[in-house]
Amino acid sequence: AQKITQTQPGMFVQEKEAVTLDCTYDTSDQSYGLFWYKQPSSGEMIFLIYQGSYDEQNATEGRYSLNFQKARKSANLVISASQLGDSAMYFCAMRETNTGNQFYFGTGTSLTVIP
Amino acid sequence: DAGVIQSPRHEVTEMGQEVTLRCKPISGHNSLFWYRQTMMRGLELLIYFNNNVPIDDSGMPEDRFSAKMPNASFSTLKIQPSEPRDSAVYFCASSPGTGAGTDTQYFGPGTRLTVL
Repeated sequence: AQKITQTQPGMFVQEKEAVTLDCTYDTSDQSYGLFWYKQPSSGEMIFLIYQGSYDEQNATEGRYSLNFQKARKSANLVISASQLGDSAMYFCAMRETNTGNQFYFGTGTSLTVIP
Repeated sequence: DAGVIQSPRHEVTEMGQEVTLRCKPISGHNSLFWYRQTMMRGLELLIYFNNNVPIDDSGMPEDRFSAKMPNASFSTLKIQPSEPRDSAVYFCASSPGTGAGTDTQYFGPGTRLTVL
């Protein structure tokens, strides 16, 4: 079974609007971390935001927030006030604390911001 | 602080040649990862090291691929002999490796490999 599932291959959003990128995960561990990365067309992988499985509050970093629903095993990324520079691939990832330092990545969602 | 450093940034070689990719992790990080990214297969973990020791190399596609980490500040990924299907972007990433849930991976800029 896939550890991380991103079901939206591509998404479009109007500039200045908010957008939600979906991510579901599969783990039987109680302790894990969830991460989002951005990969613009230039190719680098940029860390955006982290959510711990024991964190009671949703993580936020500037215009990025992570909508963490533990019971549903979802960790959706919300980008508010989209900007043209947000156009990129977005990857969701998980690290299970008890199984070493390996990360599991999803297949990514391509986001295009329309002016 | 310097991030993860990879060299070369671009490599074009002919089939059958040996290719060596290099990575310098962030100072103080104990875990190092090699990934390969292609359009067809996405981002694949090839191998990762903890404290310079290879932990999981199950993602290494064939015996043509080998990776070493002789010390905490340097790792290589070697392909010998190279084949056109090895063409991809190869990323190196490092993380503190503390075992804490917040352990975040930081990626290098990648090496774009083209095998003709």
